[in-house]
Amino acid sequence: SAVISQKPSRDICQRGTSLTIQCQVDSQVTMMFWYRQQPGQSLTLIATANQGSEATYESGFVIDKFPISRPNLTFSTLTVSNMSPEDSSIYLCSVRQGINQPQHFGDGTRLSIL
Amino acid sequence: RKEVEQDPGPFNVPEGATVAFNCTYSNSASQSFFWYRQDCRKEPKLLMSVYSSGNEDGRFTAQLNRASQYISLLIRDSKLSDSATYLCAVDNAGNNRKLIWGLGTSLAVNP
Repeated sequence: SAVISQKPSRDICQRGTSLTIQCQVDSQVTMMFWYRQQPGQSLTLIATANQGSEATYESGFVIDKFPISRPNLTFSTLTVSNMSPEDSSIYLCSVRQGINQPQHFGDGTRLSIL
Repeated sequence: RKEVEQDPGPFNVPEGATVAFNCTYSNSASQSFFWYRQDCRKEPKLLMSVYSSGNEDGRFTAQLNRASQYISLLIRDSKLSDSATYLCAVDNAGNNRKLIWGLGTSLAVNP
């Protein structure tokens, strides 16, 4: 399966600031996704990152808060904007090669907001 | 009814025990089914895909029951290292077959 690298692996940020998380894949992938997982909770899909166009956001998530870029088939970024303590979570990049294929995850970005 | 449901557990079993988890899904048109393992504060990792004919990988066996709309995961001869949360994922049968995730079943294997 593809090797997925996320940066940073963790960060502690002040409220009101923004952080951009990068996801780099070692091969071209069809689909890229961004998830959030809060402590003790399940995976929550934030959005599907679309190559060359605006991301598709899930209910409850908006572009102004979580802008996403995907300039090519191997790279995507997620920005968490104007952060508050409620944004403290693990953010996960995930990729999928086809509609009947499994998803694979990066090792996540652990974000704490003070 | 939730799209994908799992018993959250926790399942506490002794080493060497056999344990089984089920995951029910609501959309009869779903085509792709997967089991993942997630260790504490780590990313989910694919354990196995679930095929119509069932599949086995060492101590792990996954099966699909379309009539009753559930998938199962059987772990034989449990090891301490099997302690983790097990997530099921089922596609939503839509055009993009997006995966819908269960909340996970927690397993603790005790010495």
